[in-house]
Amino acid sequence: ETGVTQTPRHLVMGMTNKKSLKCEQHLGHNAMYWYKQSAKKPLELMFVYSLEERVENNSVPSRFSPECPNSSHLFLHLHTLQPEDSALYLCASSQIPEDEKLFFGSGTQLSVL
Amino acid sequence: GESVGLHLPTLSVQEGDNSIINCAYSNSASDYFIWYKQESGKGPQFIIDIRSNMDKRQGQRVTVLLNKTVKHLSLQIAATQPGDSAVYFCAENNDYKLSFGAGTTVTVRA
Repeated sequence: ETGVTQTPRHLVMGMTNKKSLKCEQHLGHNAMYWYKQSAKKPLELMFVYSLEERVENNSVPSRFSPECPNSSHLFLHLHTLQPEDSALYLCASSQIPEDEKLFFGSGTQLSVL
Repeated sequence: GESVGLHLPTLSVQEGDNSIINCAYSNSASDYFIWYKQESGKGPQFIIDIRSNMDKRQGQRVTVLLNKTVKHLSLQIAATQPGDSAVYFCAENNDYKLSFGAGTTVTVRA
């Protein structure tokens, strides 16, 4: 148990669906992250929320929309996804600036049909 | 582009032997490095870290070596066990953003 919980663990959706991924951290951290993990590729940072500011990777398509209502919860809203969006989506948290290391959840394995 | 990379995508090790996993990085301004282990069906788990003012750091059965001259990082696992089978990632930190390599898959042979 890493202290970062992601739901659902698996998700299959059609290209016209709308779904949301949820992440909750119980570590008291002040920063939360969404990463995308595709086969044989490095982890790709999608979004960061730290100290109530959002920092995003400009290459992330607008069909991915993050929401961070408080420092413990993070969502990733998905709509009109493409098959190439199928991947493992990982949530992580950290306490900055004291500690740069990330604590990851187990991820949501997403399949877009 | 990708600034962190691993030399080999796969490594097969006999149980009981020592494992060495290598990583090259390109950003000389990076001041903090981490090794993660990812088992099947799980997220990456922190193994060990090292700051740029150090050359070596030891943990339980693991050692990280940092060579800033050639921008090289390695993870040594002593007496490799079946439970060490996983994907290992190095990551470098610059301005509170971690950049990850693609990973080395370690398989332990009985």
